[in-house]
Amino acid sequence: DTEVTQTPKHLVMGMTNKKSLKCEQHMGHRAMYWYKQKAKKPPELMFVYSYEKLSINESVPSRFSPECPNSSLLNLHLHALQPEDSALYLCASSQVLGELFFGEGSRLTVL
Amino acid sequence: SQELEQSPQSLIVQEGKNLTINCTSSKTLYGLYWYKQKYGEGLIFLMMLQKGGEEKSHEKITAKLDEKKQQSSLHITASQPSHAGIYLCGADIIYAGGTSYGKLTFGQGTILTVHP
Repeated sequence: DTEVTQTPKHLVMGMTNKKSLKCEQHMGHRAMYWYKQKAKKPPELMFVYSYEKLSINESVPSRFSPECPNSSLLNLHLHALQPEDSALYLCASSQVLGELFFGEGSRLTVL
Repeated sequence: SQELEQSPQSLIVQEGKNLTINCTSSKTLYGLYWYKQKYGEGLIFLMMLQKGGEEKSHEKITAKLDEKKQQSSLHITASQPSHAGIYLCGADIIYAGGTSYGKLTFGQGTILTVHP
């Protein structure tokens, strides 16, 4: 069983909608990550939070807005997305120097 | 160009057979991770290797990192249908200016099918 919980598991949204993906971990990890995975491709890093501060933004378009309200929670706010943004969005957490533990992912479909 | 090359891209084996998946980098790796993924699901952490020559085993899966820390192999002994899935290697890469720590790069994955 994964200890990184992502909600919702599935999300369908229109291009004008505003929605959010949520991620929660209770392992005391101080680094949290958002990855995007397209079909038959490996995950690609989007954002890294370390000690609740954004430390890495991989030139992600501003229609994706991450937020880390506290050390256990990570959100990804979505606005004005495009159909090509449809993908599996994976959240992960880790100790600052350790392996990443992934959630089950949120499958996003943009119509 | 891909920083991490995995081979083979896909593998079909009969239950009970042994198999090996390789992961190669042109740069020295700070840490090498192996994950397993079922299609459309999250990644399951298998093993992490950091030291040159390191070898770790868990149940029937053994992972090795070469002395130069540029190549890793994942070996499954007596494969079972439960081993089927996508195996991904991921790495923190050492660059001239430091490491990519926190920016885990993945290989393209190896799709493993195990026939009963």
